Amino acid sequence: DAGVIQSPRHEVTEMGQEVTLRCKPISGHNSLFWYRQTMMRGLELLIYFNNNVPIDDSGMPEDRFSAKMPNASFSTLKIQPSEPRDSAVYFCASSLDRGIDEQYFGPGTRLTVT
Amino acid sequence: AQKITQTQPGMFVQEKEAVTLDCTYDTSDQSYGLFWYKQPSSGEMIFLIYQGSYDEQNATEGRYSLNFQKARKSANLVISASQLGDSAMYFCAMRGIYNQGGKLIFGQGTELSVKP
Repeated sequence: DAGVIQSPRHEVTEMGQEVTLRCKPISGHNSLFWYRQTMMRGLELLIYFNNNVPIDDSGMPEDRFSAKMPNASFSTLKIQPSEPRDSAVYFCASSLDRGIDEQYFGPGTRLTVT
Repeated sequence: AQKITQTQPGMFVQEKEAVTLDCTYDTSDQSYGLFWYKQPSSGEMIFLIYQGSYDEQNATEGRYSLNFQKARKSANLVISASQLGDSAMYFCAMRGIYNQGGKLIFGQGTELSVKP
C-alpha cells in the first residue's frame, strides 16, 4: 500500500494568496483527519471526516479555513486568504474508524506564508 | 475534556540501554485508546504501539512496550535496547472510543537522543 499521500510537500506563498492542500487516504479507510503542527501549539486536529462526511470541525481556526472530501479517495484543505500565522506543517491521516484503530499519517505539507 | 501530559521535554539514553518515556492522561471516558507515535527529524509521524483501556495485558511491539497503569492514568513507553535510529520526538496520544469520536489528543512530546 502506498500509504497516505499528501501534496504538495512544501508550499511557500505570500500573504493573501489561496492555498490548497491535498490528501489521498489509504484505500479502504473510512476516516480522514487533518492536523496542524506548530512549535507553539503542538499537534492539533483541525477537522475529521467519516465516510466523507465532516464529523468534527471544531478545530478549524476560522472561516479562512475550509475542507472538503468529495469522495473516499480525496480530500482538500483550503486556506483563503492565507496569513503568516498559518505557517505550519499540515498532516493528513486516515484510519479504519472502529474506535480502536491507529491513524496513519501522511508525510505532511510544510506551509510557509510570507 | 481529554488531556495528555508528557513531562519530559528531552531525554538522553546510552545506546543499547532501555529508556522509559512518561505519559499521563486525563479523561472521563470509560473506553479509550492510547497511542504512541514517533516523529524523526524527517518529519513523518510513525505509529508505534496501541493500548486499549480494557486490555488487561500491556501492549508490546518488538522493542516497544507500553507500561499501562490504569489507576494512575499513565501509559509510559518503554524502548528496550536503544538504537541510534531511535533518536526522535515521541508523542503520546489518546482518543475516546465513543464520546470523543475519532479525535486524537496529543501530548507535547519528548525528544529522545540516543548516545553512541
